[in-house]
Amino acid sequence: SQTIHQWPATLVQPVGSPLSLECTVEGTSNPNLYWYRQAAGRGLQLLFYSVGIGQISSEVPQNLSASRPQDRQFILSSKKLLLSDSGFYLCAWSVAGRGGQETQYFGPGTRLLVL
Amino acid sequence: GNSVTQMEGPVTLSEEAFLTINCTYTATGYPSLFWYVQYPGEGLQLLLKATKADDKGSNKGFEATYRKETTSFHLEKGSVQVSDSAVYFCALSDLRGNNDMRFGAGTRLTVKP
Repeated sequence: SQTIHQWPATLVQPVGSPLSLECTVEGTSNPNLYWYRQAAGRGLQLLFYSVGIGQISSEVPQNLSASRPQDRQFILSSKKLLLSDSGFYLCAWSVAGRGGQETQYFGPGTRLLVL
Repeated sequence: GNSVTQMEGPVTLSEEAFLTINCTYTATGYPSLFWYVQYPGEGLQLLLKATKADDKGSNKGFEATYRKETTSFHLEKGSVQVSDSAVYFCALSDLRGNNDMRFGAGTRLTVKP
């Protein structure tokens, strides 16, 4: 069966520090991968998605970046965190292929607090 | 563009009460519709889905019917439990692209004993 992992589970970082969040998927090949942010009390905002190694699409301009160095690994990074980067970051995967209509399966999330 | 509008919360019910969380959508294509649930401190879990008009998704006593004529996908449960307390998200996804899943803002449900 497929599983999705995220780490760390929680993170407290000072403003201006770098960030690296990791997401890995097991039990499937060539998944579509997604990064979402959920601000406190709000819905989900899609940040990045990837349909393959090295292929990253960004949904919103920001100081975050994403990379996919391996088929089942998706990394969210920042060189300098802002206070507004605080939130709950969720990674998700879906089966590649037809595009759209595919269920997305979510990881447990990383709670980031920038002070 | 595609969008989802769901009932604003929070919703507070007593145990065994009937639950309805409204969800309506706007889509130019023929989307699949989803309900996800988020328990405190956790990621989202798929609760149920429907892929075409008149389909009914069901799981754990929850149901939702894909109504194309009213562009709705309301979530219902006949008798809620304290363990159903969570945030519920309505979402849609269509064939237009791998990234095109849209979520509602979420509805927080609290069930009191």
